[in-house]
Amino acid sequence: SQQGEEDPQALSIQEGENATMNCSYKTSINNLQWYRQNSGRGLVHLILIRSNEREKHSGRLRVTLDTSKKSSSLLITASRAADTASYFCATDPNSGNTPLVFGKGTRLSVIA
Amino acid sequence: DTGVSQDPRHKITKRGQNVTFRCDPISEHNRLYWYRQTLGQGPEFLTYFQNEAQLEKSRLLSDRFSAERPKGSFSTLEIQRTEQGDSAMYLCASSHLRSGLDTQYFGPGTRLTVL
Repeated sequence: SQQGEEDPQALSIQEGENATMNCSYKTSINNLQWYRQNSGRGLVHLILIRSNEREKHSGRLRVTLDTSKKSSSLLITASRAADTASYFCATDPNSGNTPLVFGKGTRLSVIA
Repeated sequence: DTGVSQDPRHKITKRGQNVTFRCDPISEHNRLYWYRQTLGQGPEFLTYFQNEAQLEKSRLLSDRFSAERPKGSFSTLEIQRTEQGDSAMYLCASSHLRSGLDTQYFGPGTRLTVL
């Protein structure tokens, strides 16, 4: 079963704008990761945030984690056409099972 | 290119045939995962290995599916008597667990179409 739920399902913005995607999950986690997938390709790891962290930055990416609300957000600043992809959050449950549990993803379109 | 390779990239087969996919992980990674992804969905876990030991299998993995990692390096996923519902992208990922963090690196996937 899929634990994470991304919101919105689809997002269309102009180049240069910021894009915010949200992820909610159901059970406690060890960490939460965000991945990007270009159409028909494999997933690329973007960023990992541990359960004891609240915010993390990597280049134009900013991730927040609120474990009390079981939610995370991914912010992409100054978006580019090349950012067009599907973005997935994946949780690493701290139940001892290491396989990642993915959401359904947010499809981001950045229009030049 | 993440360093994880999969072969073939595309496979078209007729219902009832057997298919086998191969995954070559990043060489120093001891963990290898198989996921299945259908259109508009996120990847769903199928099974994973630590070295050559298969540690967990999802209930999604019916008896028609079998996976091996004989020497703790490459892995194969076989689907017997394929059904149209098996049509999906099959993704392989590898990782090396450090400090309790399991960042997984994905291959490009094998897209299976069952006619």
